[in-house]
Amino acid sequence: QKEVEQNSGPLSVPEGAIASLNCTYSDRGSQSFFWYRQYSGKSPELIMFIYSNGDKEDGRFTAQLNKASQYVSLLIRDSQPSDSATYLCAVNNPGGATNKLIFGTGTLLAVQP
Amino acid sequence: NAGVTQTPKFQVLKTGQSMTLQCAQDMNHNSMYWYRQDPGMGLRLIYYSASEGTTDKGEVPNGYNVSRLNKREFSLRLESAAPSQTSVYFCACRWDRWADTQYFGPGTRLTVL
Repeated sequence: QKEVEQNSGPLSVPEGAIASLNCTYSDRGSQSFFWYRQYSGKSPELIMFIYSNGDKEDGRFTAQLNKASQYVSLLIRDSQPSDSATYLCAVNNPGGATNKLIFGTGTLLAVQP
Repeated sequence: NAGVTQTPKFQVLKTGQSMTLQCAQDMNHNSMYWYRQDPGMGLRLIYYSASEGTTDKGEVPNGYNVSRLNKREFSLRLESAAPSQTSVYFCACRWDRWADTQYFGPGTRLTVL
């Protein structure tokens, strides 16, 4: 079992719809969770992070965390073609003095005009 | 304020050649990381440095060496390049042990023939 799992997609949604991206993780000790967006040929850029159970909203983006079920999700409201990218879920690795991030393989989102 | 810079952007090597990938950050962050990204594999940690003068192996360290020259610079060396090291390499930095957000450089696309 991979430590961080994501559906590779592509996830295709029409412009203006809600895109829902999901991620599950295996280490119950993980404490912080991140969503990165990566455009083709570019480096990952941080969209949101979440530490506590529940929802965290930032503009059109909402991160949701359920530690009991070990999943984290990202909702993108009013999806735009510019949101088309690969979305990487990352989970901290609590072992060791320096926290490391474990990344999923990413979900490709395609927003259709 | 350039953030995280990497050189070169592109490189082609022949099997057995050596080279050093350079990374520098002006964010005054303590921790620095080297990842490689391959299709279907996601981001995998090669080496990291929690602070100046310290380095540790990540998930895929074989065939690589690193040097944390000072707080700003963290280099990755391939002593004898192999085709399996064809990948996109990203450097990242993070402020301190309690703040997990990592910021990525633009990447180096390496091809080994």
